[in-house]
Amino acid sequence: AQKVTQAQTEISVVEKEDVTLDCVYETRDTTYYLFWYKQPPSGELVFLIRRNSFDEQNEISGRYSWNFQKSTSSFNFTITASQVVDSAVYFCALSEATDSWGKLQFGAGTQVVVTP
Amino acid sequence: EPEVTQTPSHQVTQMGQEVILRCVPISNHLYFYWYRQILGQKVEFLVSFYNNEISEKSEIFDDQFSVERPDGSNFTLKIRSTKLEDSAMYFCASGLRYNEQFFGPGTRLTVL
Repeated sequence: AQKVTQAQTEISVVEKEDVTLDCVYETRDTTYYLFWYKQPPSGELVFLIRRNSFDEQNEISGRYSWNFQKSTSSFNFTITASQVVDSAVYFCALSEATDSWGKLQFGAGTQVVVTP
Repeated sequence: EPEVTQTPSHQVTQMGQEVILRCVPISNHLYFYWYRQILGQKVEFLVSFYNNEISEKSEIFDDQFSVERPDGSNFTLKIRSTKLEDSAMYFCASGLRYNEQFFGPGTRLTVL
C-alpha cells in the first residue's frame, strides 16, 4: 500500500509566485519521521527537512515553510516567492519507528517548474 | 562538512555483466542504505545495513544483489548479472541514527 502520496505530478509557476506541494502519509505508528528532499536536474537528493511525529510546530527556513498536520496526516511544503533555481522534483518521505532500521518510503515526487 | 561519496558517477555495462557500485559513507555513521531510482520514478529502498550485516531488504533486493562493507570505510553494492531493468540511479545513504539519512550523489547505471 502506498504510504506516502504526492498527488501533484507537476506544478508550473511563474517566478515570484508561491507554490505549495502536498504530501499525505499513512502510518499506524505513533512515532515516525517525515522528510522532504529536493532533486534538481543534476540528480542528487538534497535534504530539506526532517520532522518527528511529536513536533507539530510549523517551520520556516528562508523561503521554505512546512505545515505539519497530524489530524489530516499531511506534511505540506510551501516555497514562497519562487525562483528559477527552485525548479526540481520534490520528494516527501516517511520513516516509521517500528521499522527500526529507518528505511525511507518515498512518495512519487512533484515536479516543480518555475519559469522566468 | 562531511559527505557521502559514490563512485563511479556513471557506469555503463553489458547485460549479464557484474557491477560493483562503491560508496564511502560519513565516517562515524552506523546505518547504511542503498536505494534506487528508475528514470522518472520514485526512489525505492533496496537494503539497510547495520552492525556488519543486512538489517532489512526489499523485494527488489534478490539473489542477484549483495552488499559488503569490506574495510570499515567503503560500502559496496554488487549486482551479479545485470539485466536491462537494473538501469537506474543508485543512491547510497548513511546515518548516525536510524532516523536520519544523508545521501550520496548517486551512480547512474546503464545496462545495454
